[in-house]
Amino acid sequence: TQLLEQSPQFLSIQEGENLTVYCNSSSVFSSLQWYRQEPGEGPVLLVTVVTGGEVKKLKRLTFQFGDARKDSSLHITAAQPGDTGLYLCAGGSSNTGKLIFGQGTTLQVKP
Amino acid sequence: EAQVTQNPRYLITVTGKKLTVTCSQNMNHEYMSWYRQDPGLGLRQIYYSMNVEVTDKGDVPEGYKVSRKEKRNFPLILESPSPNQTSLYFCASSSSSYNEQFFGPGTRLTVL
Repeated sequence: TQLLEQSPQFLSIQEGENLTVYCNSSSVFSSLQWYRQEPGEGPVLLVTVVTGGEVKKLKRLTFQFGDARKDSSLHITAAQPGDTGLYLCAGGSSNTGKLIFGQGTTLQVKP
Repeated sequence: EAQVTQNPRYLITVTGKKLTVTCSQNMNHEYMSWYRQDPGLGLRQIYYSMNVEVTDKGDVPEGYKVSRKEKRNFPLILESPSPNQTSLYFCASSSSSYNEQFFGPGTRLTVL
């Protein structure tokens, strides 16, 4: 059974601080997707990484796929209150046809 | 606008009263699925459909039914709801089972 461990589960920081969210598995994935979910809405895709070692940037957000395609990280620089939300990682496998979600990281950025 | 719609958005019902949550997508996606989201448990897949008339169980299918008579619609049916089905439900659609999922806005269900 494929599992995706996401950490930390909760994070409360002050505006301007940096943070990193981790997503780890013992399984190899074809791709790793990061979603953000705001209260009262469904998750929305932020980015997909598909190549081992790949780094993608989205303004102050940096996403990295591990060399072995088993893990990923999301780094936010100078967090803003607007970054508050639930961040979900999801590993996709073209072999199994499955998309496995991590448990999510709830981020609160205080002004 | 490409979107997934769900109705109702909020529902309070009583144990045993059959209900249906509708889901519709306008992106011509073949793959559709239902998830429930509970605190500490993340998103868990209930049922999925690879195409019209093709449905299969996800990780937590007990107490739920689905149908896929048309490509755009994928309703979730609770024949006899119980309090442990109180949850936030999301419908999603995609071009494949492991690519980007497009989620609906969610349906918050409370079963008393």
